Amino acid sequence: EAGVAQSPRYKIIEKRQSVAFWCNPISGHATLYWYQQILGQGPKLLIQFQNNGVVDDSQLPKDRFSAERLKGVDSTLKIQPAKLEDSAVYLCASSLVAMNEQFFGPGTRLTVL
Amino acid sequence: AQSVAQPEDQVNVAEGNPLTVKCTYSVSGNPYLFWYVQYPNRGLQFLLKYITGDNLVKGSYGFEAEFNKSQTSFHLKKPSALVSDSALYFCAVRDGTGGFKTIFGAGTRLFVKA
Repeated sequence: EAGVAQSPRYKIIEKRQSVAFWCNPISGHATLYWYQQILGQGPKLLIQFQNNGVVDDSQLPKDRFSAERLKGVDSTLKIQPAKLEDSAVYLCASSLVAMNEQFFGPGTRLTVL
Repeated sequence: AQSVAQPEDQVNVAEGNPLTVKCTYSVSGNPYLFWYVQYPNRGLQFLLKYITGDNLVKGSYGFEAEFNKSQTSFHLKKPSALVSDSALYFCAVRDGTGGFKTIFGAGTRLFVKA
């Protein structure tokens, strides 16, 4: 089966610019996750969707980050405006249901200059 | 609040020797425990999980993990290490009694020397 797809793979922007990431989960997976992984740290959950509803966004910096999952399939994560500390790898993952193991995409490496 | 700790930044082991990567956790309810591996330039991959049942769970690539409720630990083990096992390993925990969030540890880098 096809895995979790993410694009772009790499992005370099100036601070205060905006950026968007796209994720297409494994077909049939109801739960979709966005993580931020800063170098040397474990992934930090930003937002979790169950179908097209948000079930956890407690660690999402809502003044600059937003995410949506229209129609309960693919999802976009946006940062506007970006800060230097947003430089990280943004991982998308999906699972069949929330209790199950997660399948991760290759990630998007964001560099903010 | 739930948390997970991986006390070792790096574990070094010789090829053919047994390996252990440590993980301890804290949750208020029953734990759902996971191990993931991240190879260089590749995404995170699921290795194994404990939800309920036998305390010793077996996973991919010959790895296994032992759930110890009294010590709140979930250590990853393999009887005989391979050079190809060299990677970054993450332990993750989720509170099984209603919380939605999965918390990842900081990771342990495993280096297997030939």
